[in-house]
Amino acid sequence: DSGVTQTPKHLITATGQRVTLRCSPRSGDLSVYWYQQSLDQGLQFLIQYYNGEERAKGNILERFSAQQFPDLHSELNLSSLELGDSALYFCASSARVGTDTQYFGPGTRLTVL
Amino acid sequence: GDSVTQMEGPVTLSEEAFLTINCTYTATGYPSLFWYVQYPGEGLQLLLKATKADDKGSNKGFEATYRKETTSFHLEKGSVQVSDSAVYFCALKKGNTPLVFGKGTRLSVIA
Repeated sequence: DSGVTQTPKHLITATGQRVTLRCSPRSGDLSVYWYQQSLDQGLQFLIQYYNGEERAKGNILERFSAQQFPDLHSELNLSSLELGDSALYFCASSARVGTDTQYFGPGTRLTVL
Repeated sequence: GDSVTQMEGPVTLSEEAFLTINCTYTATGYPSLFWYVQYPGEGLQLLLKATKADDKGSNKGFEATYRKETTSFHLEKGSVQVSDSAVYFCALKKGNTPLVFGKGTRLSVIA
């Protein structure tokens, strides 16, 4: 158990809908990362937050947004969903920006029908 | 940009066989290198890491040595078990940048 929790574990929804994925980092970790894992694209970095502030952006679509709250949990919002958004979404945390080791949550499997 | 290349899978081995999964990287500067493992239905777990040239990371019988001259970080295990069946990801990280992953190598170990 990495100490990173993600909810829900599975999510099934329809095209055009909006969903919110939640992540709680390990106790004491300030940095949260979101990754998308799909069969064709592999593991891709989406976005990073550190202590409530956005730190880095990767291949995140404009339809996607995220935030980190004062209690350090983070939410990833996916809107106007398309079939191609079906994937595993992972959250990871680390103690501070620049720390090497990231600890991953179990992921949320999103299926868009 | 920085990138990681792993050998294509799947790799199928018999129990107690020797395992090598090749990983090479392209990066400026001095990245840290990682191997993560993903068991079926689970998230990624850190397997081992190395932060500078000639460092050897090791865990659970797995080893990898950071070779700057060949820009490689190959994963090895002397005797695999069925329980090692998983997908293995090589990754690099520099400073404040996010992890850059290879595409993953699926390992199946048969009894």
